[in-house]
Amino acid sequence: DAGVTQSPTHLIKTRGQQVTLRCSPKSGHDTVSWYQQALGQGPQFIFQYYEEEERQRGNFPDRFSGHQFPNYSSELNVNALLLGDSALYLCASSSDLGYEQYFGPGTRLTVT
Amino acid sequence: GDSVTQMEGPVTLSEEAFLTINCTYTATGYPSLFWYVQYPGEGLQLLLKATKADDKGSNKGFEATYRKETTSFHLEKGSVQVSDSAVYFCALSVPLYSGGSNYKLTFGKGTLLTVNP
Repeated sequence: DAGVTQSPTHLIKTRGQQVTLRCSPKSGHDTVSWYQQALGQGPQFIFQYYEEEERQRGNFPDRFSGHQFPNYSSELNVNALLLGDSALYLCASSSDLGYEQYFGPGTRLTVT
Repeated sequence: GDSVTQMEGPVTLSEEAFLTINCTYTATGYPSLFWYVQYPGEGLQLLLKATKADDKGSNKGFEATYRKETTSFHLEKGSVQVSDSAVYFCALSVPLYSGGSNYKLTFGKGTLLTVNP
């Protein structure tokens, strides 16, 4: 049984560009949450998707957007990249509305 | 708002030493509490959890007890191994919004543990 998968593993972008990160949840999971982990910090909640809708957003600007597909997979889009967006982006899936979450390996985004 | 405070690291121990990583929290209501572990270059793995006061979570020799009176969830292990070297995160699960049924995780800053042979 595959766990949570994310792609790509690493990504290097230039300031001002746009990026799309992808996540496939663990089998049987229908809720996907995205987190940003800056170097040396704990993950920070970006938003959560359930039933193809954004359920709640953390303290992140509208440059961060997402989508959930009918097969429960999800995308995170970041527009107008800033140097400060460099981080590890983690996707977590859940079968109980986010109560217990299982994480993927993350996508390391570097903005130059 | 909801928050988690972990003891600052790094923590360096010799193999077979006793480990304690302190974690305290602030939350409205009665959150569930978790410890996650992150090995170098990897995502987070759920280590253990506790869902109500006085519950003890345990896994792979690690234990933590949900103490409501002290709002704490300290991680302990009696004898650490080199393979336990990682970053440990304490987290709490809270509703996305008041009255809601979806949850998000709020994390501490993490504690780096290094175990030397």
